[in-house]
Amino acid sequence: DGGITQSPKYLFRKEGQNVTLSCEQNLNHDAMYWYRQDPGQGLRLIYYSQIVNDFQKGDIAEGYSVSREKKESFPLTVTSAQKNPTAFYLCASSFGLYNEQFFGPGTRLTVL
Amino acid sequence: QKEVEQDPGPLSVPEGAIVSLNCTYSNSAFQYFMWYRQYSRKGPELLMYTYSSGNKEDGRFTAQVDKSSKYISLFIRDSQPSDSATYLCAMSMHAGGTSYGKLTFGQGTILTVHP
Repeated sequence: DGGITQSPKYLFRKEGQNVTLSCEQNLNHDAMYWYRQDPGQGLRLIYYSQIVNDFQKGDIAEGYSVSREKKESFPLTVTSAQKNPTAFYLCASSFGLYNEQFFGPGTRLTVL
Repeated sequence: QKEVEQDPGPLSVPEGAIVSLNCTYSNSAFQYFMWYRQYSRKGPELLMYTYSSGNKEDGRFTAQVDKSSKYISLFIRDSQPSDSATYLCAMSMHAGGTSYGKLTFGQGTILTVHP
């Protein structure tokens, strides 16, 4: 089955720790994205990548880092510099000109 | 002022009702318009995609875009309890360049369809 997988589904982290969220897709999509979703705020773009070895900051990149070493994978690291990391994190991918983005199931991160 | 405004609701309707969900936007450069449905604790799924002004119908769903008024709508006919979800509008300017793939989302409207 083609799709986007994110792991883990739930993640707990202590303050001051870095944590990496996984995103994998087998849709052969070129572009991949990370969003953060908070209650009542919709989705906000953290980082996106158009092609392998290239990525761009989104609207709220501070405290996050990414890599794109393979077309299929786009991991997100939430660093200790992110002041309010507790949120629902969504990965998405797209192919072609029309920006139809397809989303993974999400990872809920809670900082204790 | 946000680029995309969407009434968060919540909206509660009886089964069989016609539902109207709306978004307004301020950036006239938006050309591509999408509606996503998101069930609780799940990722959003693409429902409808439209380009520029006009209507698009898919089963019980109709997406409408009025670029002159900077207003988009999603209509759900014969609503069902399984339609209960958060509905997010999204839009983008164009593909290519540094704006490629950048969607701007509304806040989402929480819809409940009760039997």
